[in-house]
Order: sequence, then structure tokens, then C-alpha cells
Amino acid sequence: DTGVSQDPRHKITKRGQNVTFRCDPISEHNRLYWYRQTLGQGPEFLTYFQNEAQLEKSRLLSDRFSAERPKGSFSTLEIQRTEQGDSAMYLCASSPGTTGATDTQYFGPGTRLTVL
Amino acid sequence: AQSVAQPEDQVNVAEGNPLTVKCTYSVSGNPYLFWYVQYPNRGLQFLLKYITGDNLVKGSYGFEAEFNKSQTSFHLKKPSALVSDSALYFCAVRDMTGGSYIPTFGRGTSLIVHP
Repeated sequence: DTGVSQDPRHKITKRGQNVTFRCDPISEHNRLYWYRQTLGQGPEFLTYFQNEAQLEKSRLLSDRFSAERPKGSFSTLEIQRTEQGDSAMYLCASSPGTTGATDTQYFGPGTRLTVL
Repeated sequence: AQSVAQPEDQVNVAEGNPLTVKCTYSVSGNPYLFWYVQYPNRGLQFLLKYITGDNLVKGSYGFEAEFNKSQTSFHLKKPSALVSDSALYFCAVRDMTGGSYIPTFGRGTSLIVHP
């Protein structure tokens, strides 16, 4: 399978715990994006990488959230001291980054987080 | 600023009938428009996009979308609906002149195709 993959697919945690999600983009895609989706809403942008550089961060991304893409390949999203309001689907997408303004994003299956 | 509206939370259609899922957008510059589909507990799958050129764009699974600049709309259409088309559909827009690669998504429209 050459699509975007995410791990784990489901995570249940207790309030106050830390969680980490992983995203593996499509091979050779330079750009990687993280989104959050809650029930009844479209994806909301969290952050985006061009290779290993984190270029944009949403105001939604509080200081409890941190993302990395250390070698410009896979990425991790960590949430510290989880809160019930963090319960959502976390989506990762990647895009080639070589087609200028017409770049198209391709999404992974998502990680569903439930904070008890 | 960029925004997108999907005025219908749900669209119901009988199998074999044509379907339309509506989307309107607002951008300062030129729009780059997308449609994605989401099946339960899955990520978004790319359907089609409009950049420039022909106003009628054809995409995956027999879907097409019509760009209308004067009405700032990008409605998704299919001539004959299938029960398997039942899913959540998202329209997204990005301002091509804004310098950002981040699209704004609508809230989604649930399409239900009845046998």
C-alpha cells in the first residue's frame, strides 16, 4: 500500500496522560499536514511541514501539542496532559510539494482519540 | 480570508437518480477547489479538483463538479446515484494567490442514497 498510513488507528486514554501519533506519508511527498476533525465538522488545520521544517501552525495548536518530522519522512504528533476536549479524529495528509500552487493533499485513515 | 459553505447537512436521493451536493466559496483571489469523500471511520479520499480551464471537472467514481465563478459555486454532481455513494462529502477551497497551502474545508454534507 503506497498511501498515507497512520498509527494507531484508535487510542483511548485517561485525562492527563500523554499520547503520540505517527504518520507515514506517501513516499517522496515533501509536505505533510496534520488536521483535527470532530463530529459534524470538516477537518481543521493544525500544522504543516515542508520536509523537516514546520512552516505553519494553527492557533488551535496549543502548547500541549507538538509535532515533529525529524528526517523529513514520517511525522509524530504528541498531545501532553490530554483533556476530554482533545477527543477527535486526527488526520494526516501529504502532498508532493513540487507542483506549486496546484498541490493536492492525500489523506490517511486517521487516528481516533478518546479521552476518558 | 477564504471560506466555504455547504448549505445542506444531508441530501437524500433514490438510487439511479441524479444527485447534486452544493458548495459555495469565498476567496480574495483565484480559487483552487476540491471535493473529498469520507466513509465511516475513514480518512478523506480525493475525488476531484478545479484549478483553471474547463468549468466542468470530471473525477473519480463517475463524479463531476461544475465551477461557476459568478455564483461562486462548485457543486458536486453525478448522473446516476449508487447506494455505495452514501458517505460524507467535503468541499474545500484554497486561495491560490494567498501564498498558503492550507485549504479550508466545509462542514460536510451527508449523502444518503436509498435503494
